[in-house]
Amino acid sequence: DGGITQSPKYLFRKEGQNVTLSCEQNLNHDAMYWYRQDPGQGLRLIYYSQIVNDFQKGDIAEGYSVSREKKESFPLTVTSAQKNPTAFYLCASSISDSGPDTQYFGPGTRLTVL
Amino acid sequence: SQQGEEDPQALSIQEGENATMNCSYKTSINNLQWYRQNSGRGLVHLILIRSNEREKHSGRLRVTLDTSKKSSSLLITASRAADTASYFCATAHGSSNTGKLIFGQGTTLQVKP
Repeated sequence: DGGITQSPKYLFRKEGQNVTLSCEQNLNHDAMYWYRQDPGQGLRLIYYSQIVNDFQKGDIAEGYSVSREKKESFPLTVTSAQKNPTAFYLCASSISDSGPDTQYFGPGTRLTVL
Repeated sequence: SQQGEEDPQALSIQEGENATMNCSYKTSINNLQWYRQNSGRGLVHLILIRSNEREKHSGRLRVTLDTSKKSSSLLITASRAADTASYFCATAHGSSNTGKLIFGQGTTLQVKP
C-alpha cells in the first residue's frame, strides 16, 4: 500500500526543546517537501529536497533543520530557535526532481508548545 | 511569499447548488493545481491545468484558467455535504526547474445538507 506517512499525529513540546517530525514515503518519489500551516492559512514552504543528500531552504526555514540521507525519509527538526512553532506540519512528495508535478501529502503532525 | 490569492475566503451553500472558487496569481506559471483539505488532514490533489490549457474537467469539477488575467476558477457542480472542506490553489512558477508550489490562503466551503 503506497503512500506517505507522518508521525506522530500530535506532538507536544516544552519551550527550549528540539523535536523531530518524521516523514516517510514508499512512492519512490525523488522530491520531498515540508510545509507549515497556521490556522485559517495556506501552506508555507519550510524546506524541500530534490534528491538524496541535498536540500534547499524554503520561505520560512529559520528555526528548522532537515536531513535527506535516504530517498524515502525526510525528517524535520523544529529547534528551540523557532520562536512560534505551534502549527500543523505537512510533508509532501512528488515524483520528479525537476519540473512542477502533483504533490502527495501525508496526514500531518500537529505540534503544540506548552 | 504568497502567489495565489483566493476568493471568497469562505462559502456556504445548500446541497445540490454549484460552488465557484477563484484564484488569482502574480507571475507567469507552468501550471496551476487545486487541492482539497478536510479539517485536520493532509491535502489531496484534485486537478492540474497547464498554462496552455483553458479548461479541464474531472467528474463534478471544472477548472478554468485565464493566463491573460492571471486567474483560475474551480467549479464544483451539484455539491454534496461531503464536499465540505478547504480548497487551495497552488501555482508552479514558469521558470522553475523544481517541484516547488506556492499555495493560496484557501477557500473554506461548507455544504449544508
